[in-house]
Order: sequence, then structure tokens, then C-alpha cells
Amino acid sequence: GEDVEQSLFLSVREGDSSVINCTYTDSSSTYLYWYKQEPGAGLQLLTYIFSNMDMKQDQRLTVLLNKKDKHLSLRIADTQTGDSAIYFCAENPDNYGQNFVFGPGTRLSVLP
Amino acid sequence: DVKVTQSSRYLVKRTGEKVFLECVQDMDHENMFWYRQDPGLGLRLIYFSYDVKMKEKGDIPEGYSVSREKKERFSLILESASTNQTSMYLCASRNTGTDTNIQYFGAGTRLSVL
Repeated sequence: GEDVEQSLFLSVREGDSSVINCTYTDSSSTYLYWYKQEPGAGLQLLTYIFSNMDMKQDQRLTVLLNKKDKHLSLRIADTQTGDSAIYFCAENPDNYGQNFVFGPGTRLSVLP
Repeated sequence: DVKVTQSSRYLVKRTGEKVFLECVQDMDHENMFWYRQDPGLGLRLIYFSYDVKMKEKGDIPEGYSVSREKKERFSLILESASTNQTSMYLCASRNTGTDTNIQYFGAGTRLSVL
């Protein structure tokens, strides 16, 4: 079945880079997504990557996709305290169907 | 910007009460979703609606029902609330007319059942 895995916690110092990793099992998704959830709030789409791309850069965010290993990563450059949140990796294996699969979320803590 | 609005941020209810969670989106999206979020479990799909009056069960529909009488509004109903339904509930909508297949989420409703 489909499964998305992430480590649950990551701590970094302000100004360092953060790398959040995700592995997934179903390779049929057309897009893969990263969502951010700040305390007490809903999920906000951060970025997404088309499955035939290896990399996507958007300001401080870099997404890397390794389809062979089914590995997705999100790199945040110059991490700030405002980046402290839970980050969810997600895929939609039945493309445009109801079946979005979310990872458990990685809680990023940014230390001063 | 797409806006998905959940009517309550926090709710406290008693066991056995009937509970309504409301969600409204303003972008004429066909699809709407209700999820439940629990620590370490990610998001689990309760119900999905692909259009008005249409609904499909998700992964954990037991104890819940839904209503979609108008395109913009998707309601989640707990017929008889129980303590194991204490959770964060998230509503989302999606426009099937685009190729990026993005879900837009509301701010969430944190429900406590005592």
C-alpha cells in the first residue's frame, strides 16, 4: 500500500540550512508536495514538484526528487525562527482522485 | 487567493452531543475534503465530496457523516460525539480544472469531547 515516511523531529540553529527528508512507496504520483503547518493553524502549501523533475528552487527553498530511490527532500537555506513549524510531505497516487497520502510531519525547531 | 474558512477554531462538546463542523470555500472548487489530524499519524481522510450532493467515504468514516447541499459548503457531522473523536479537523478544497492538483486547507477546528 501507499506509505509516506518522515523523521518526526529536526533541530537547527538560526542561519543554518535545514534538510527535511521524505520517502514514499508509490511512484505513480504526478506531483509531490510540501506543506507547512504553523502552531494552531491549517496546512499551507509551500511548494510542489512535478514527478519528471529532479530539482525545483524557489527563493530559500530547494526541493530534490530522486525517483529511483523514492526520496524527496526540502532544503531551507538561512533558516529563521519563523520557519519553526511542522512540515508535511504528500503525494496523490491516484492522481486527481481522493487519495492524498501525507507523511506524519517533521517538527522543525529553530534555535537562536 | 483561495480562501477556505472553517467556522470554529475551537469547540468543546460533551459525549453524546451532535456536532456540526462547517467549511466554506470561495473559489467554486468541485472537490472538498475532511481530514482528521492526530500527532504522529499525519492526516487521515474522513470523507471526500467530488461535487454537490456527492460523497465518498475515506479511510476513517466511522462515527461521521457529511453534507454537501451547496458547492461552497461541506459539513462534517458527528452524530453522537465520543471522547476518541477529540482531534484537530481540517477541511480542504481542490479545483479539478488545473493540472497541479493542489489542495487548499482551512485553519482547522480543534475539537475536544469531554
